[in-house]
Amino acid sequence: GNSVTQMEGPVTLSEEAFLTINCTYTATGYPSLFWYVQYPGEGLQLLLKATKADDKGSNKGFEATYRKETTSFHLEKGSVQVSDSAVYFCALSDHGNYQLIWGAGTKLIIKP
Amino acid sequence: NAGVTQTPKFQVLKTGQSMTLQCAQDMNHEYMSWYRQDPGMGLRLIHYSVGAGITDQGEVPNGYNVSRSTTEDFPLRLLSAAPSQTSVYFCASSYAAGTGETQYFGPGTRLLVL
Repeated sequence: GNSVTQMEGPVTLSEEAFLTINCTYTATGYPSLFWYVQYPGEGLQLLLKATKADDKGSNKGFEATYRKETTSFHLEKGSVQVSDSAVYFCALSDHGNYQLIWGAGTKLIIKP
Repeated sequence: NAGVTQTPKFQVLKTGQSMTLQCAQDMNHEYMSWYRQDPGMGLRLIHYSVGAGITDQGEVPNGYNVSRSTTEDFPLRLLSAAPSQTSVYFCASSYAAGTGETQYFGPGTRLLVL
């Protein structure tokens, strides 16, 4: 079946460091891929998405590229800020089964 | 535009009690869903609806009921609360049920069952 695997957290970085959060997936078809972010005490919100292979999603300085050959959708940011501290979730929805399949989430802590 | 609203924000129940978690959206979205979030497990789908009058089970439906009498509202009922239902519950909606659709989440309801 479909699944999403994220790197375990917490990930702790200093401000202005480079960020990578790994996400790999298993899917039978050609899924759409998402990154959602959950700030402390809030619900989830979409950060970025990509709907086909080689697409790059980007938002707020974050980027992720849909790599079909490695079944990956890694999240990157060149210079993180304290305000980026949150939990990041990778998710997929497969054609014919639009329900989202979620990774376990990665907690990111940015220290000033 | 309030988006997705949930009430209450926090609730304490005793084992065996019942309650309803409210969810409403004002975006005229067809698709609505309920998730529970437990530490280290991501989100798990409880029930979902693709339109008024249509509901279906998700991954973990046992102990929960839903109904969808209007487009706007999608309440989640706990029939007889158990400690295993202690969790954070999120309601979400999207314009349609389709691959690639963005889901919009409410702020969550934190439930503690004693």
